[in-house]
Amino acid sequence: QVQLVESGGGLVWPGGSLRLSCAASGFTFRDYYMSWIRQAPGKGLEWISYITSSGDYTKHADSVRGRFTISRDNARNTVYLQISGLRAEDTAVYYCARELGDLGFDNWGQGTPVTVSS
Amino acid sequence: QSALTQPPSTSGTPGQRVTISCSGTSSNIGSNAVNWYQQFPGAAPRRLINSKNQRSSGVPDRFSGSKSGTSASLAISGLQSEDEADYYCAAWDDSLNNWVFGGGTMVTVL
Repeated sequence: QVQLVESGGGLVWPGGSLRLSCAASGFTFRDYYMSWIRQAPGKGLEWISYITSSGDYTKHADSVRGRFTISRDNARNTVYLQISGLRAEDTAVYYCARELGDLGFDNWGQGTPVTVSS
Repeated sequence: QSALTQPPSTSGTPGQRVTISCSGTSSNIGSNAVNWYQQFPGAAPRRLINSKNQRSSGVPDRFSGSKSGTSASLAISGLQSEDEADYYCAAWDDSLNNWVFGGGTMVTVL
């Protein structure tokens, strides 16, 4: 079955950096677009980044552009989110999700929490 | 401020029919597919219904989706206590060139 497992979250100082990972299994990873979506405490879902199946195109939300970078390694079946210049408002649970275009995000990981605080 | 507008909450008694609206614009719902997601407290979201009105595995048939113009709706027919959750709509936005979500609707079973 499809499984997505995020890791790499934690407590970080304002201005700090982290690299989040999402390990995929149970499907042909290289055939699918992948996205990162976050959820601040008590708030709704916010899409932040996607990457095409080959990794040749990426897109980031305005709120994170220039600070966050999505990438993937199809040999390792893993998608990454490099996050830097962290701010308090970046505190959230970060989910990776498999994207099916018009059919939306059909599989989600369990999420990895990121807390930005001094 | 979410790009898609949902009521923050709704409620109903067991067996009642409830609907959740999702209002957008011509650049998102008006021209693209809408999918619905369900999230229980402390859990990751899951896709509930896709844009073809197909329910994900394990989702009971009391859930259904529809779309008209720049709005979409999720209906729960025969509300059950286990339906208490947050529900989100989402669509691609051609103007923003990214995915947008509604703010979410909390469903409470009285």
